[in-house]
Amino acid sequence: AQSVSQHNHHVILSEAASLELGCNYSYGGTVNLFWYVQYPGQHLQLLLKYFSGDPLVKGIKGFEAEFIKSKFSFNLRKPSVQWSDTAEYFCAVIVISGDMRFGAGTRLTVKP
Amino acid sequence: DAGVTQSPTHLIKTRGQQVTLRCSPKSGHDTVSWYQQALGQGPQFIFQYYEEEERQRGNFPDRFSGHQFPNYSSELNVNALLLGDSALYLCASSHWTDLNTGELFFGEGSRLTVL
Repeated sequence: AQSVSQHNHHVILSEAASLELGCNYSYGGTVNLFWYVQYPGQHLQLLLKYFSGDPLVKGIKGFEAEFIKSKFSFNLRKPSVQWSDTAEYFCAVIVISGDMRFGAGTRLTVKP
Repeated sequence: DAGVTQSPTHLIKTRGQQVTLRCSPKSGHDTVSWYQQALGQGPQFIFQYYEEEERQRGNFPDRFSGHQFPNYSSELNVNALLLGDSALYLCASSHWTDLNTGELFFGEGSRLTVL
């Protein structure tokens, strides 16, 4: 079945550690890829997005993601996390106009 | 500039009842999508409205229906509530012309508990 898979359910890191959250999708053809973040008590907001061009995209707050077409992956990275990065992170794919499919999410806890 | 607003924020219903959730899109947006987010899961696409018509629908039964008004606001109705309908219901707005490439702006959701 077509899906978006996020490998880690809960990740715990110390401040200044590096972060990589995995995302794989199983849709064929052209896809547009997104990472959304949900901080505690807040609404979902866009971190970054990829449509075409340079497969390494940069988003807000020092986050970046790399699209690897051959691996159907769109992993999120940050070189040095902060306590304020504690949140839930969702990978998402648009296949048909506006039909955005989300992964189950990865909860990131950053210890001060 | 108001973002996406949803009401009510929380509500409790019993099995078999009906519920209506409301959404006002971000100013300037004309398209509203609804998502269901069960505990510990990502948002699941329910349906999308543009020009007062349902344009796309996810894998949800007919008990889930919606409406869009001329001012672009939208309602989600769920009939014959089941325990499994307990979830956070999210509304997202966007421009129809930007659907493939545009950002979805989400509200904070309506948390429905079915007892």
